[in-house]
Amino acid sequence: DADVTQTPRNRITKTGKRIMLECSQTKGHDRMYWYRQDPGLGLRLIYYSFDVKDINKGEISDGYSVSRQAQAKFSLSLESAIPNQTALYFCATSDQRGPETQYFGPGTRLLVL
Amino acid sequence: AQTVTQSQPEMSVQEAETVTLSCTYDTSESNYYLFWYKQPPSRQMILVIRQEAYKQQNATENRFSVNFQKAAKSFSLKISDSQLGDTAMYFCAFMKRSAGNQFYFGTGTSLTVIP
Repeated sequence: DADVTQTPRNRITKTGKRIMLECSQTKGHDRMYWYRQDPGLGLRLIYYSFDVKDINKGEISDGYSVSRQAQAKFSLSLESAIPNQTALYFCATSDQRGPETQYFGPGTRLLVL
Repeated sequence: AQTVTQSQPEMSVQEAETVTLSCTYDTSESNYYLFWYKQPPSRQMILVIRQEAYKQQNATENRFSVNFQKAAKSFSLKISDSQLGDTAMYFCAFMKRSAGNQFYFGTGTSLTVIP
């Protein structure tokens, strides 16, 4: 089984709709991250969380919110989706006690019409 | 702010040959890490290799090795004996210890291995 899972894998939604992307991990890591990937721009950080009570904005947090429901779960919400939020979204985890490496989920492809 | 630059949007290499992907970064930090990630068509992000800035020795991982030039802020990836499965997008990434292990990614290099 995959260590970092994301649901859904693909999603099509309409402008103005609320949508939630979910991330779960079985690695026991304390830190979790949300990125978006756009063609030609690489990956950009949206939000990150060091533990359940510690959430921080990343480079491009406007239009997004997150919830760390448990150490293993980190959700990303688009309160009112807009077309320029069409992108590939990745969740990642890391362990402050271990190697300085982030481990990525399989990604969620989101299309906002 | 940290920036990571990959100046080669696309590259190709013949199977079994060697190819080098370039990456430069800009930082005033002294304690940081550098990474290369691979993203095949499956879109999964896969760690290829990592380098601690305080280590002078270049990291190697089987057919993958880096040329880390700290003074020049350069971190290139060399792939030896290229295989068809190496066809992917490759991202260089920088991480500084002082800000929650935030990663900064380059824009990627698309590598095609030609049979």
